Amino acid sequence: EPEVTQTPSHQVTQMGQEVILRCVPISNHLYFYWYRQILGQKVEFLVSFYNNEISEKSEIFDDQFSVERPDGSNFTLKIRSTKLEDSAMYFCASSEGGQRSNQPQHFGDGTRLSIL
Amino acid sequence: AQKITQTQPGMFVQEKEAVTLDCTYDTSDPSYGLFWYKQPSSGEMIFLIYQGSYDQQNATEGRYSLNFQKARKSANLVISASQLGDSAMYFCAMRFPNAGNMLTFGGGTRLMVKP
Repeated sequence: EPEVTQTPSHQVTQMGQEVILRCVPISNHLYFYWYRQILGQKVEFLVSFYNNEISEKSEIFDDQFSVERPDGSNFTLKIRSTKLEDSAMYFCASSEGGQRSNQPQHFGDGTRLSIL
Repeated sequence: AQKITQTQPGMFVQEKEAVTLDCTYDTSDPSYGLFWYKQPSSGEMIFLIYQGSYDQQNATEGRYSLNFQKARKSANLVISASQLGDSAMYFCAMRFPNAGNMLTFGGGTRLMVKP
């Protein structure tokens, strides 16, 4: 069964450094998302991406964050200058359909980001 | 504002018994989708089951079923014949088409299956 893949599984970075989290969505999916889950807390939406542009973003997704689809398969999340509070599990997800669809969002296994 | 509440932070169930995980929500939007995800200790998020607000019948998917009570604004997950591998966090999530395509998650319920 096709799946969303994320790399790396664990990233350790010094505060203030830039980090790029990588995702390969399911190949026939058109909608891509990033969520994060701070340890012990609920999953929070960051951003959604469709047709090569951001379609929605949350308040968490400030100027320090950016997303890109550099080629036909990868979808990346960049954090420009990491802060301690960016430490979390970051999930990439993709779906076949959008708002009016009953298609679920399929999640990758996550990247655990630890900021020192 | 839309809000999702999972009132049971943790639950135990005996292997082979059925268990119900609660999810209530608050919205004035008539159109929405309800999803349940499982998160094992390894961390991945696994889609389990979907219910649309206009669906006439409760969704079922193998051992998973949704007890959807629209008037009560609840969408409880029922797991029949629990297995040890069902031990995990379970998240209820909703999508509101009029508010975009994002999922809004509840706080989760940790289910522990006893042998």
